[in-house]
Amino acid sequence: GPKVLQIPSHQIIDMGQMVTLNCDPVSNHLYFYWYKQILGQQMEFLVNFYNGKVMEKSKLFKDQFSVERPDGSYFTLKIQPTALEDSAVYFCASSLEGQYYEQYFGPGTRLTVL
Amino acid sequence: AQSVTQPDARVTVSEGASLQLRCKYSYSGTPYLFWYVQYPRQGLQLLLKYYSGDPVVQGVNGFEAEFIKSNSSFHLRKASVHWSDSAVYFCAVSGANNNNAPRFGAGTKLSVKP
Repeated sequence: GPKVLQIPSHQIIDMGQMVTLNCDPVSNHLYFYWYKQILGQQMEFLVNFYNGKVMEKSKLFKDQFSVERPDGSYFTLKIQPTALEDSAVYFCASSLEGQYYEQYFGPGTRLTVL
Repeated sequence: AQSVTQPDARVTVSEGASLQLRCKYSYSGTPYLFWYVQYPRQGLQLLLKYYSGDPVVQGVNGFEAEFIKSNSSFHLRKASVHWSDSAVYFCAVSGANNNNAPRFGAGTKLSVKP
């Protein structure tokens, strides 16, 4: 079936550094999402992105977070600067226009902030 | 915004036994409901979905769920579990418009004893 890819699978960085998480969504999908999952806990919604704009974001989507998808390339989540509490697995999802709620998920990027 | 409660963090059943994983949602509008499964170190995979119509929906691998509006519930069931069903199961709810991204419950970790 359709696959969402995430690069890298694991990233280790020092607190205060910038990190960019990359998502390669399903090719004809137009809605993109990031979710955060602290180990063994709930999948928390961060942001929903469509047509170059943030459609919806949660309280977890701090000012240090930003998303973009320049020219149909990767959908990215940038955190600048990172904090210890940003350590988690970040899942990207994408969905079709008209079926935005039916999401396809990537395998996640495990971010460790030291 | 919408929310989901999965009251059972862990469920253990014997292989061949029946299964019910509980899910209750909160949403003021018409809900779209989903169950996803997550295997270790993988992204979420869609098991089944409910949009409208027959309140009992069938999914992959013998799973089904029943939407009970009066109870705001969408419990997942399986008549006979297999050891390979061991995983974490997430219930999710979405609204019908594109600024109500799906929200997930905390997940239920299912362990199937051989």
